[in-house]
Amino acid sequence: GAGVSQSPSNKVTEKGKDVELRCDPISGHTALYWYRQRLGQGLEFLIYFQGNSAPDKSGLPSDRFSAERTGESVSTLTIQRTQQEDSAVYLCASSPKTSGGRRETQYFGPGTRLLVL
Amino acid sequence: AQKVTQAQTEISVVEKEDVTLDCVYETRDTTYYLFWYKQPPSGELVFLIRRNSFDEQNEISGRYSWNFQKSTSSFNFTITASQVVDSAVYFCALSEAIGGFKTIFGAGTRLFVKA
Repeated sequence: GAGVSQSPSNKVTEKGKDVELRCDPISGHTALYWYRQRLGQGLEFLIYFQGNSAPDKSGLPSDRFSAERTGESVSTLTIQRTQQEDSAVYLCASSPKTSGGRRETQYFGPGTRLLVL
Repeated sequence: AQKVTQAQTEISVVEKEDVTLDCVYETRDTTYYLFWYKQPPSGELVFLIRRNSFDEQNEISGRYSWNFQKSTSSFNFTITASQVVDSAVYFCALSEAIGGFKTIFGAGTRLFVKA
């Protein structure tokens, strides 16, 4: 596809369950970001991947959150033992290779809306 | 520390009015990037502009224009002759060249354009 895709589009889960969210970046984009957007609020950075470099995990809110990326393609964000405060839209973005200090434009997916009951 | 402040939570205008969305940022770095994104009711964020800290030239793209002033740490966004389709939440964002690739977003300004 031409854009960033995310699945599922909506997820309802019970408190304490684990969830896995998926992101397919734009083909050829080496950088991938995950963000969280709570209702009516701005975006919170979670994690950044670029190629084979160590990911920047500085935004992950707790050890219940983790993310993996297979090479320069699909990424999954896993939330273990979900809590009600995890309810939010989780957005994924990708961008072309970032070299040095340059920041490329991020292209966002439609997001996964997570509701923890 | 990095910080982006969008003091205007909501703005309501009538079609064809001009409107300016404010963005003030804080950074410890001399090299940084500023962004504006639009989030329409559909929810998908749309990139509008990227500006690096060494380029203070103002930019115009159709009805959109941006005023970058390092002296006041501001990167304001003006829509001229607003249209109903401009109704959305607009986010300003900052990314420093050091300290990783974290991008900090402001809380957003919700713009309502009434016909």
